[in-house]
Amino acid sequence: DSGVTQTPKHLITATGQRVTLRCSPRSGDLSVYWYQQSLDQGLQFLIQYYNGEERAKGNILERFSAQQFPDLHSELNLSSLELGDSALYFCASSAGQGGSPLHFGNGTRLTVT
Amino acid sequence: GQNIDQPTEMTATEGAIVQINCTYQTSGFNGLFWYQQHAGEAPTFLSYNVLDGLEEKGRFSSFLSRSKGYSYLLLKELQMKDSASYLCAVRDNQGGKLIFGQGTELSVKP
Repeated sequence: DSGVTQTPKHLITATGQRVTLRCSPRSGDLSVYWYQQSLDQGLQFLIQYYNGEERAKGNILERFSAQQFPDLHSELNLSSLELGDSALYFCASSAGQGGSPLHFGNGTRLTVT
Repeated sequence: GQNIDQPTEMTATEGAIVQINCTYQTSGFNGLFWYQQHAGEAPTFLSYNVLDGLEEKGRFSSFLSRSKGYSYLLLKELQMKDSASYLCAVRDNQGGKLIFGQGTELSVKP
């Protein structure tokens, strides 16, 4: 168990809808990262927060947004969903930079029909 | 930008040794990580290198050459449960995010 909690585990929704994915980092970790993994694709970095502030942004679509709250949990909001958004969405947390590895949650599997 | 290359697939025999290579080109470098990922599951951390040389951890070892932009993961005494995807990732020097390669799908045969 990595200590990173993601909810829900599975989400099935229709095109055009909006969903929210939730992540609670490991106790003490200030950094939260969101990644997308489509079928046969590698892990694509979306966005990083550190102690409530946005730290880095990857190829995140404008339809997607995220935030980190004062209690350090994070939410990823996906709107105007398209079929191509179907993927595994992982949240990870770390204590910092350098040798601190990212610890991944079990992911949310999103299916857009 | 970042570019990370690793072979797509490899096959090896139970009990044998396998080496998974990774080459990278990055605009900044702050360490290289290897992760293991079973299908549909979370990636799990295996090893970290930031200085040149070999890091050994039980059946797993990882090597780094910063001048060549090259790393490898060595798995010894292969077991069936080692069948998984192995991901090479580089940490940049802006914020700490990891950029992942596409992964190498390793199949261990009896």
